[in-house]
Amino acid sequence: QAVVTQEPSRTVSPGGTVTLTCGSSTGPVTSGHSPYWFQQKPGQAPKTLIYDTNIKHSWTPARFSGSLLGGQAALTLSGAQPEDEADYYCLLGYNTFWGVFGGGTKLTVL
Amino acid sequence: QLQLQESGPGLVKPSETLSLTCSVSGASISSNTYYWGWIRQPPGKGLEWIGMMSSSGSSYYNPSLKSRVTISVDTSKNHFSLKLSSVTAADTAVYYCSRSHGAYLGQGILVTVSS
Repeated sequence: QAVVTQEPSRTVSPGGTVTLTCGSSTGPVTSGHSPYWFQQKPGQAPKTLIYDTNIKHSWTPARFSGSLLGGQAALTLSGAQPEDEADYYCLLGYNTFWGVFGGGTKLTVL
Repeated sequence: QLQLQESGPGLVKPSETLSLTCSVSGASISSNTYYWGWIRQPPGKGLEWIGMMSSSGSSYYNPSLKSRVTISVDTSKNHFSLKLSSVTAADTAVYYCSRSHGAYLGQGILVTVSS
């Protein structure tokens, strides 16, 4: 089974920009993996921020964006706010259907 | 707006079958456009994709769980279900239902496996 990798932790200053990445053990991440990004705050259910690489929900703050970058899926946060401190998980779809989650990135806004 | 709501027992005995239902509102699951699935999260750990199924019957499961998992869709009730057999303490988790891989998620239900 494929392994999806994320940075265990990242720190960003308030108002700063940070890019979280999501890689695949099978090779470059493409749009065919339909990357998803989820945000989870302590004690809460995960919330879907991005799906199909870069599609946002109505509730996704404009400061979040999804893309493909250097063979990985990427989630960029521009203008970090204290409330963005959370765990972020990516998911990749293999052969369209089989999903694999990354281990998550703990984002600290400090 | 699509809404998903999980329901089912919060406590299951070891070796028994975990059964959960996800009620869908705001959309008809009989449309073959989307898949309907399940994700879980053990306490203090990350997310795990369980599997998904379309209303036409096409299903895809996590290989590590495939032998124990069944997802079914009931279009007459606009809900879908998860069955996980031969559960152990390792199956204790919050279970989330989802559209496709997770474009929409339910609020989750904690299921504890204990005698």
